[in-house]
Amino acid sequence: GESVGLHLPTLSVQEGDNSIINCAYSNSASDYFIWYKQESGKGPQFIIDIRSNMDKRQGQRVTVLLNKTVKHLSLQIAATQPGDSAVYFCAENINTDKLIFGTGTRLQVFP
Amino acid sequence: EAGVVQSPRYKIIEKKQPVAFWCNPISGHNTLYWYLQNLGQGPELLIRYENEEAVDDSQLPKDRFSAERLKGVDSTLKIQPAELGDSAVYLCASSPQRDTDTQYFGPGTRLTVL
Repeated sequence: GESVGLHLPTLSVQEGDNSIINCAYSNSASDYFIWYKQESGKGPQFIIDIRSNMDKRQGQRVTVLLNKTVKHLSLQIAATQPGDSAVYFCAENINTDKLIFGTGTRLQVFP
Repeated sequence: EAGVVQSPRYKIIEKKQPVAFWCNPISGHNTLYWYLQNLGQGPELLIRYENEEAVDDSQLPKDRFSAERLKGVDSTLKIQPAELGDSAVYLCASSPQRDTDTQYFGPGTRLTVL
């Protein structure tokens, strides 16, 4: 229900520290994974993606790790900044155009 | 490059009234998606278009929801009549082509049904 959805998992980190946001996905046949960042009042914004034939991919300040054995995905943000505060969603794609979004994690960055 | 444009950004209506949302995808993007996002949850797909053809509308509540993309560019999502439970954010996304997985989202329309 809506009241349950309000209680997003929250990660609080100090500015400058590294952040790790985790996601468990559901389908072992998923072959493409995306992390989205959603700020208040905005649509989800693409951050980084990874295909199932990889286990790590790096971007600017962000790294995505994929562990297919345990169906786990993580997003690492280096030197977290106040502008990184948002809700982060992982999404999986099972060889179609349909993205299945996971439960979001709220990242709070404090000075 | 301009992003996905949606209007209106906010809409407040009374239950049983009709409402429509408009989306203009990124230029050149053939695939267009409509999603529903409830508070604190991830987006859920309502319908996907390849050009003007609705290729996946299995999650669209067809008794009250309808969508169109007549010329394969802009799209409209309509609810008639709206119910209290329809209060949510309606997101539009687009991607270049069917084989490209990255979807780019618009800012959404926040609907409140009173």
